Amino acid sequence: SQQGEEDPQALSIQEGENATMNCSYKTSINNLQWYRQNSGRGLVHLILIRSNERENHSGRLRVTLDTSKKSSSLLITASRAADTASYFCATVHSGGSNYKLTFGKGTLLTVNP
Amino acid sequence: GAGVSQTPSNKVTEKGKYVELRCDPISGHTALYWYRQSLGQGPEFLIYFQGTGAADDSGLPNDRFFAVRPEGSVSTLKIQRTERGDSAVYLCASSAVPPGRNTGELFFGEGSRLTVL
Repeated sequence: SQQGEEDPQALSIQEGENATMNCSYKTSINNLQWYRQNSGRGLVHLILIRSNERENHSGRLRVTLDTSKKSSSLLITASRAADTASYFCATVHSGGSNYKLTFGKGTLLTVNP
Repeated sequence: GAGVSQTPSNKVTEKGKYVELRCDPISGHTALYWYRQSLGQGPEFLIYFQGTGAADDSGLPNDRFFAVRPEGSVSTLKIQRTERGDSAVYLCASSAVPPGRNTGELFFGEGSRLTVL
């Protein structure tokens, strides 16, 4: 079963604009991670946020976490055509196994040049 | 190698045939995962190895699916009597630290695309 649900399913923006993707999950977590997948390729880890953090940054990426709402958002600033990809959130449940990463269905981001 | 390597990258087979998919993880990574990804979906967990043993195989859909990792490095996912519904991309990942540890991330291979006709 899939834990997270990304929103929107698809997002199309112009180069230079910011892209925001949201993720909701169902159970308490240890951490939440975002991955990127280019078409036909494997997934690449982008950023991780711990359950006791509210915000984290890495380059043009900003991730937020609201554990009371069981939701996270990923912001990509100043988007580029090369950012076109699918983005997945993934969670590790707390209170159980610390090895299983459960993925959402993803958001397909298209950045138009 | 530098990354997770999966072979074959593409496999087309007929219904009822046996298939093996291979994964060579990053050297030194003790944890190895198999996921399955259908079109337009996120990866779904199949099985997790810690060293040579399958610590969690709860995601394997049925007993036609089996995976091994005899020496704690390379893993093979085996599918017997393939069905059309098995068509998907099979992703392998490895990690040095469990993802529940707060520095843990998975490193994925490019996947093996299986098509069952």
